[in-house]
Amino acid sequence: EADIYQTPRYLVIGTGKKITLECSQTMGHDKMYWYQQDPGMELHLIHYSYGVNSTEKGDLSSESTVSRIRTEHFPLTLESARPSHTSQYLCASSDRNEGQRETQYFGPGTRLLVL
Amino acid sequence: GNSVTQMEGPVTLSEEAFLTINCTYTATGYPSLFWYVQYPGEGLQLLLKATKADDKGSNKGFEATYRKETTSFHLEKGSVQVSDSAVYFCALGAGGFKTIFGAGTRLFVKA
Repeated sequence: EADIYQTPRYLVIGTGKKITLECSQTMGHDKMYWYQQDPGMELHLIHYSYGVNSTEKGDLSSESTVSRIRTEHFPLTLESARPSHTSQYLCASSDRNEGQRETQYFGPGTRLLVL
Repeated sequence: GNSVTQMEGPVTLSEEAFLTINCTYTATGYPSLFWYVQYPGEGLQLLLKATKADDKGSNKGFEATYRKETTSFHLEKGSVQVSDSAVYFCALGAGGFKTIFGAGTRLFVKA
């Protein structure tokens, strides 16, 4: 069973607000990821991290930023939310020691609505 | 480059029908192949995986065989249930950090 948590599960905010989506995992995984997904649709990788102090942008351009100060924590921040940011955000982690066999473990997601 | 193509949905079946969701891939080297499932309102979870050619992954009545000659990893289940209604993602792990996900196939099972 995956031990990866995301908060909040749902968030409705106004345009221009700063928000941080939290993601934590208790599995000691080095690799973590953020995906953007319209519900039930294709996943788009927006950020990833190989480990502490390592962050990279993914395939889909995003106005969000991430940080990785601790292994277990990988928060995503939007400095100024816009309606185009309305989506579902999925956090995932994987263990690099599995090599190519690595399974990704997903959190339950945060569904964001920007008014 | 690496890619995954899976059949478009939605797929609508009656309970106890046979399910096939097609997935083909292109990759260099020897990737691992996965099927993930996403139930409504949840994140993805691993359904099954196969790490080398001719391996069969299986879980909860679902099966998929890694076919290198046809570059395929089709998902099958002999008798679907209403509770199998979800979105299914085929995925490829080709080393490094990245997993390549297909676009997802939505399955509806009617009672």
